[in-house]
Order: sequence, then structure tokens, then C-alpha cells
Amino acid sequence: DTEVTQTPKHLVMGMTNKKSLKCEQHMGHRAMYWYKQKAKKPPELMFVYSYEKLSINESVPSRFSPECPNSSLLNLHLHALQPEDSALYLCASSQVGQGAPEQFFGPGTRLTVL
Amino acid sequence: AQSVTQLDSQVPVFEEAPVELRCNYSSSVSVYLFWYVQYPNQGLQLLLKYLSGSTLVKGINGFEAEFNKSQTSFHLRKPSVHISDTAEYFCAVSDSGGGADGLTFGKGTHLIIQP
Repeated sequence: DTEVTQTPKHLVMGMTNKKSLKCEQHMGHRAMYWYKQKAKKPPELMFVYSYEKLSINESVPSRFSPECPNSSLLNLHLHALQPEDSALYLCASSQVGQGAPEQFFGPGTRLTVL
Repeated sequence: AQSVTQLDSQVPVFEEAPVELRCNYSSSVSVYLFWYVQYPNQGLQLLLKYLSGSTLVKGINGFEAEFNKSQTSFHLRKPSVHISDTAEYFCAVSDSGGGADGLTFGKGTHLIIQP
């Protein structure tokens, strides 16, 4: 299984809502990532988890809260978002170490904040 | 700190013609280099990667890239493009230190194949 899955595919939420994005992989990867991609822009790194511990937080506002409950799952909890947070949220996974550093991406969740 | 420059935001090419998408990088440490493709409303798919060794790397869908350390470049090429190659192409770099490191992407090049 070489697939990263993300749910939901689309999400529309109001600024007062609480929602969660989910990501799952079964490739045995021990690093997982969240990226944010605005329209016609490259992905921007948000968070990195290595061995289920948060290792990189790229100064992301606290209204985004990541969680890695186990080595296969990665969540992104959303609360009190702003319209400018509307974007494609991409999850990725990779091995840790020098052997195979490429990241495998999921299809993304397209988030619209009203 | 690392950075990636893709000077061409858009490249129009006729079908069956060759194409080169340019990528230059800047880094104070050793890096890994990647090319990813993104089709509309989809995630990113890895085309090819350079880790070490041979400077010419071959990827999927007939693409290849050449790593040039002196020019800090990693240009992507295909000898004959197809209409299905229309997509956004991102060059990316990561630290080769062995830890889990995020990718730094270039701004992307939109490849437009004209019939």
C-alpha cells in the first residue's frame, strides 16, 4: 500500500465551527507532514511529526492544532478559522533517515471558511 | 536556509516537442532534490529525485533531470511531451541530514501543451 488518504475531500465551515482533517498511511513511515497550499501557489510546510512527536511547527497560528495519535494517523484540528485560511491542506508521509527521503502526498482536503 | 527558484511561471510547448523546466537552488548544506507534478485538484506526485551518485536521474512518464552542483541547478526535461503532461510542476529541496525535514518548494511552472 503506497497511498496516503485524506478525509474529508471537501470541507466548508463557518468561523465559529470546530472541525478536524484526517490523514492516514500504512507504509510504515515514521514522519508525517501538514502543508497548506493556496491557489496558484506552492505548498507551504505547517507541521512535521517524527516518531509521533511534533518536531517542526512553522509558526502556525494556534487555531490550527495538529495531533498524531499513532504512527499511521495524523489529524489537524481546526477552530475559529478565518476566511484567509481557505486553502488545500495536504498531508504527506516519509521514512526517517537518509535512505529514502521522498514524501508521499495525499490528495488533499479543500477547505473553505465562510 | 534553503531556497528554490523556478524562473518560468508558465511554459507553452507544442505536443511532441521537447521541453525543459528550469530549477535552481540555494543551500548552505547538502540537499536532496525532487520534482513533483500536480494535476488540477489533486495532490502532488513524485516524478524523480536526486539523492547522490549519478547526476542524470530518470523518473516516471519519460521525464529526466540533471543535477549540476557547480551551477546549483536541477533542470527537468522530456524529449517529447504529450497533452496529458499539462500540469503544474514543482521543484523541491530538503536537507540531506537524515531527519524528517519539510520540503521547500519553488513557485512552480505551469506546463501548457498545445495541440
